[in-house]
Amino acid sequence: EPEVTQTPSHQVTQMGQEVILRCVPISNHLYFYWYRQILGQKVEFLVSFYNNEISEKSEIFDDQFSVERPDGSNFTLKIRSTKLEDSAMYFCASGGDRGPNTEAFFGQGTRLTVV
Amino acid sequence: SQQGEEDPQALSIQEGENATMNCSYKTSINNLQWYRQNSGRGLVHLILIRSNEREKHSGRLRVTLDTSKKSSSLLITASRAADTASYFCATGNQAGTALIFGKGTTLSVSS
Repeated sequence: EPEVTQTPSHQVTQMGQEVILRCVPISNHLYFYWYRQILGQKVEFLVSFYNNEISEKSEIFDDQFSVERPDGSNFTLKIRSTKLEDSAMYFCASGGDRGPNTEAFFGQGTRLTVV
Repeated sequence: SQQGEEDPQALSIQEGENATMNCSYKTSINNLQWYRQNSGRGLVHLILIRSNEREKHSGRLRVTLDTSKKSSSLLITASRAADTASYFCATGNQAGTALIFGKGTTLSVSS
């Protein structure tokens, strides 16, 4: 069964460092999302991506964040200068051509720890 | 905000009992979805109900939608210990460009 894969599963980084979280969405999907979940809290929307551009972003997704689909298969989230409060689980998801009007498939997440 | 808000925040039941979780949202929707999350894992899609549907079943899951009250409920019948997880409702935003999740209900089923 097709699945969304995320790497790494866990990343520890120093405050101020750049991190890149990687995702391989399901191959025929057209919508891609990043979400964040701080431990024990709700799943927060960061950004959606469609047709090679950002279609929506939340207020969390400030200038420190960027997304890219560099090669037609990977979908990456970059945090330029990490802060302690960026520590969270980051989930990638992908969906079919109806985007938010159809189910989203989630990866298992990357646990980011900023020290 | 478009976000759904679930209640209760936490629910503890015995195996075999039914579990009901509710979700309220604020603006008009195209559909409403329910997801499940095991601790520390990714979310898994359970069921999608469209705005013109009132009830939908999938196995032991029953979802209702009342668009006049802007609310939905998820019923899990004959619960099992393996149903222990967090359950989230999600709706698309008004622009149809993002799927927004509520705060979730944490369900604990004890054997």
